[in-house]
Amino acid sequence: RKEVEQDPGPFNVPEGATVAFNCTYSNSASQSFFWYRQDCRKEPKLLMSVYSSGNEDGRFTAQLNRASQYISLLIRDSKLSDSATYLCAVNTGNQFYFGTGTSLTVIP
Amino acid sequence: EAGVAQSPRYKIIEKRQSVAFWCNPISGHATLYWYQQILGQGPKLLIQFQNNGVVDDSQLPKDRFSAERLKGVDSTLKIQPAKLEDSAVYLCASSLDPHTEAFFGQGTRLTVV
Repeated sequence: RKEVEQDPGPFNVPEGATVAFNCTYSNSASQSFFWYRQDCRKEPKLLMSVYSSGNEDGRFTAQLNRASQYISLLIRDSKLSDSATYLCAVNTGNQFYFGTGTSLTVIP
Repeated sequence: EAGVAQSPRYKIIEKRQSVAFWCNPISGHATLYWYQQILGQGPKLLIQFQNNGVVDDSQLPKDRFSAERLKGVDSTLKIQPAKLEDSAVYLCASSLDPHTEAFFGQGTRLTVV
């Protein structure tokens, strides 16, 4: 079983739409959670950390559900510039695992 | 603040040749990671260092891959001999400690022909 699993998509949404991604993790002892954004042929860049109480950064909201062992990312009012692959990352003790990424394309 | 530096950016080699990649982490970052990312997949952890010690190398193909971080700063990753399936982007990342967010370098795109 993979440590971290994501729906690879692709998600194709119109501008202005709201889109949500989920990511499940297998180890209940996981401690830290993150969302990264990766543009084509670029390195992953940190989008936001995910806190137990949930957190919001502008149009982006991240949530953690420890009971069901998943994290989510909600993007409101999608922009063309949000088109990218979104990777979740889970830190379990000393190991940092990434999901396979979810591809998002925002359509004009 | 300078980010994670990697070199070279691109490398093309023939199978059975050897290749080495270099990484300089963000200053003060004790944790350093090497990831392999094959097209269409997420980054796969190859090896993790804490200062100059190896924390996790369970997914490193040790018959052909090796890595070191002798002085707890720069790191090198070597492949010898390379196989066609090693074609990927090799990403180096660093973090203050194993529990905080990791920052990536631009990666080295390796093509084995």
